[in-house]
Amino acid sequence: GAVVSQHPSRVICKSGTSVKIECRSLDFQATTMFWYRQFPKQSLMLMATSNEGSKATYEQGVEKDKFLINHASLTLSTLTVTSAHPEDSSFYICSARGSGADTQYFGPGTRLTVL
Amino acid sequence: QKEVEQNSGPLSVPEGAIASLNCTYSDRGSQSFFWYRQYSGKSPELIMFIYSNGDKEDGRFTAQLNKASQYVSLLIRDSQPSDSATYLCAWEGTGFQKLVFGTGTRLLVSP
Repeated sequence: GAVVSQHPSRVICKSGTSVKIECRSLDFQATTMFWYRQFPKQSLMLMATSNEGSKATYEQGVEKDKFLINHASLTLSTLTVTSAHPEDSSFYICSARGSGADTQYFGPGTRLTVL
Repeated sequence: QKEVEQNSGPLSVPEGAIASLNCTYSDRGSQSFFWYRQYSGKSPELIMFIYSNGDKEDGRFTAQLNKASQYVSLLIRDSQPSDSATYLCAWEGTGFQKLVFGTGTRLLVSP
């Protein structure tokens, strides 16, 4: 149980384009989903927390107009990187947590490369 | 001031030995602590969590928590080369749902 998927696993795009990443909880209802970013040889940095049906809460320093998060259902959250630039190239990981769960479960991650 | 501190390593141990990974945290409000393993290029996978003082064992893994000293550790018995990875500790406070991660310790187990 507690499986989280992400799509796509890898994406390469041109600078200035937008990229959407999907995160799905496959066998449980995720009341809360989290989006992280990890640069090489660094730890995970939380970008935002989203509760189903509510606006996402962004961490300090994360541009909410650049990283659009939608959590429209209990099994799906999306992260859209708008007008991507090479500095946005990173490993994006989502996690999901069900109501009353002890912990959150991570998706496999999406490797974004912006040329 | 870093909220969660880990030695970046690498920590090198021979196969079959006990690997000891340590983590200190600064927030006394921290309630739950988690150990994750992350292989290169992959997302973290949960090893175990602990929220009570003392030891918690799961197979070859033992987590130890000392809230008075603000210290949490992970022991890996009978280390295997497949245990070579980066180990991340994280904490979560009461009422919070977000995890704060340490920078991770890289473990190398040599055959």
